[in-house]
Amino acid sequence: TQLLEQSPQFLSIQEGENLTVYCNSSSVFSSLQWYRQEPGEGPVLLVTVVTGGEVKKLKRLTFQFGDARKDSSLHITAAQPGDTGLYLCAGEEMRGFKTIFGAGTRLFVKA
Amino acid sequence: DAGVTQSPTHLIKTRGQHVTLRCSPISGHKSVSWYQQVLGQGPQFIFQYYEKEERGRGNFPDRFSARQFPNYSSELNVNALLLGDSALYLCASRLRGLNEKLFFGSGTQLSVL
Repeated sequence: TQLLEQSPQFLSIQEGENLTVYCNSSSVFSSLQWYRQEPGEGPVLLVTVVTGGEVKKLKRLTFQFGDARKDSSLHITAAQPGDTGLYLCAGEEMRGFKTIFGAGTRLFVKA
Repeated sequence: DAGVTQSPTHLIKTRGQHVTLRCSPISGHKSVSWYQQVLGQGPQFIFQYYEKEERGRGNFPDRFSARQFPNYSSELNVNALLLGDSALYLCASRLRGLNEKLFFGSGTQLSVL
């Protein structure tokens, strides 16, 4: 069974601070995705990383895929209260028939 | 264009009952996946259907079943409900398969009393 472990599980920071969320596995994935979920809604895709070592930037968010395609990180610069939410990483199995999710990191940014 | 739609939005059942949840994918999307999300956890994969065939199954008991119809909509059925089945059930669609973006519905919140 493939597992994705996210850390930390919960993060409470002040507005303007930087943070990094990690997503680790012992398995290789064809791609890793990062989602953000608001209460009462389904997850919304932020980014997909496919190539080992790939780095993608989305405004203040930087996503990195590990060289061995087993892990990923999400770095947020100068966090804002609007960044508050549940951040989920998800790995696509090599055969493409299953996308599995980590348990999520709940981020709270205080003004 | 409409996104992924799920019905009902909320449902209350008692132990031992049966439930059917429905999902309509985005127009043109041929793949539908079902997930169970317990409060405070990430979504757990239940099923994936593509072109009306089951292509993937998660670690759920046989009480859980699903199907995909010719119009690519899908139903998730759960028999003999247990208290532990209380969760948000999410449906996601994608155009085809590998590495394509998953679009999620808002889910069905199931409470089993």
